[in-house]
Amino acid sequence: NAGVTQTPKFRILKIGQSMTLQCAQDMNHNYMYWYRQDPGMGLKLIYYSVGAGITDKGEVPNGYNVSRSTTEDFPLRLELAAPSQTSVYFCASSYSRTAAVANYGYTFGSGTRLTVV
Amino acid sequence: KNQVEQSPQSLIILEGKNCTLQCNYTVSPFSNLRWYKQDTGRGPVSLTIMTFSENTKSNGRYTATLDADTKQSSLHITASQLSDSASYICVVSGRNAGNNRKLIWGLGTSLAVNP
Repeated sequence: NAGVTQTPKFRILKIGQSMTLQCAQDMNHNYMYWYRQDPGMGLKLIYYSVGAGITDKGEVPNGYNVSRSTTEDFPLRLELAAPSQTSVYFCASSYSRTAAVANYGYTFGSGTRLTVV
Repeated sequence: KNQVEQSPQSLIILEGKNCTLQCNYTVSPFSNLRWYKQDTGRGPVSLTIMTFSENTKSNGRYTATLDADTKQSSLHITASQLSDSASYICVVSGRNAGNNRKLIWGLGTSLAVNP
């Protein structure tokens, strides 16, 4: 049981380049999320998904796209990288969006540290 | 103004000592409050989740309290260990328009446990 797996762990992009951050979970969780964490700031929700084929915007979706073709995978796409997207990106999953029932919390991956230069 | 305020911003204690971290929130209506531990370079790990009807919950040496009337929570760590060195983040789930619950993350308290 690997939990939530993110790849790559580190990446340096040039301005204007594109890339996809991969996220996979093996817990059969319906809900998946992408967050970014900037120094001195709380986590900000980028996109989330309530199940295969369903995605929705979070607080800071501009410059990103997602897809959810399977329950397990939830990739995050950066089309035209900008310096403002330099951050640490975390993928998470949960049994439900509120995750308050029976102490279910969010399970996070170990993060992708992205630098755009 | 951040709707979830944590204090202190950072804390240094000696191994074996106890400590208490504070979280004040203004999120309303309130759904639940969570405490996460985040080790450097890792993703957050859930410690506790409490709904408005719960006023205390324990997870090993971690005990969280919640006063929904005063909108305050605390995380008490007993007999600290070097591995407790991490950032502790308070997260409040509110309910915005459209009945979509939203997580509001605090900035965390950075705890260093020294030998």
